[in-house]
Amino acid sequence: KNQVEQSPQSLIILEGKNCTLQCNYTVSPFSNLRWYKQDTGRGPVSLTIMTFSENTKSNGRYTATLDADTKQSSLHITASQLSDSASYICVVSALTGGGNKLTFGTGTQLKVEL
Amino acid sequence: DVKVTQSSRYLVKRTGEKVFLECVQDMDHENMFWYRQDPGLGLRLIYFSYDVKMKEKGDIPEGYSVSREKKERFSLILESASTNQTSMYLCASSLGTRTYEQYFGPGTRLTVT
Repeated sequence: KNQVEQSPQSLIILEGKNCTLQCNYTVSPFSNLRWYKQDTGRGPVSLTIMTFSENTKSNGRYTATLDADTKQSSLHITASQLSDSASYICVVSALTGGGNKLTFGTGTQLKVEL
Repeated sequence: DVKVTQSSRYLVKRTGEKVFLECVQDMDHENMFWYRQDPGLGLRLIYFSYDVKMKEKGDIPEGYSVSREKKERFSLILESASTNQTSMYLCASSLGTRTYEQYFGPGTRLTVT
């Protein structure tokens, strides 16, 4: 069964600090991995997408890494801001005959405080 | 910018009512999706559509149906709403199905009493 597990479940950090969110997956056959940011009461917004051959991808202060051998990904946030407070969702895509099938993690709830 | 809109942000319905959730995208995307999101469960796919008048069941289609009469519009229908369908419903669209990004709407929080 395809699964995506994220840790920690929640995290509180001070503004300006860095943090790293983890994603472990058992999805096969692997197609790509995406990180989304979801503000409270809003739909998810894509931060990065990585295929098998990519091991790092950045989007501003967000840097995602992928280790396809160990089936792990991380999302590093640098110099956090209050606006980074959100849920961060890891989504892994499996190749199927009809296209890609997505498996969603339950998210890490990040709160950035003054 | 891709824009995915949903007809309501908040909706309260009674048990047994027929409920329509509408989703419209403005980027001529082929694929559209309906998810529900519940605490601790992540997003779960209800139905998706790869083309007009075409639909495929997702992981949890029971109690739901969909309609796609036009490319830009994808409707989710709860034939007889039940309290266990209280949830956040998210619509998404994408140009393709491989590495193409899914763009999400703002969500509809449905409460069934």
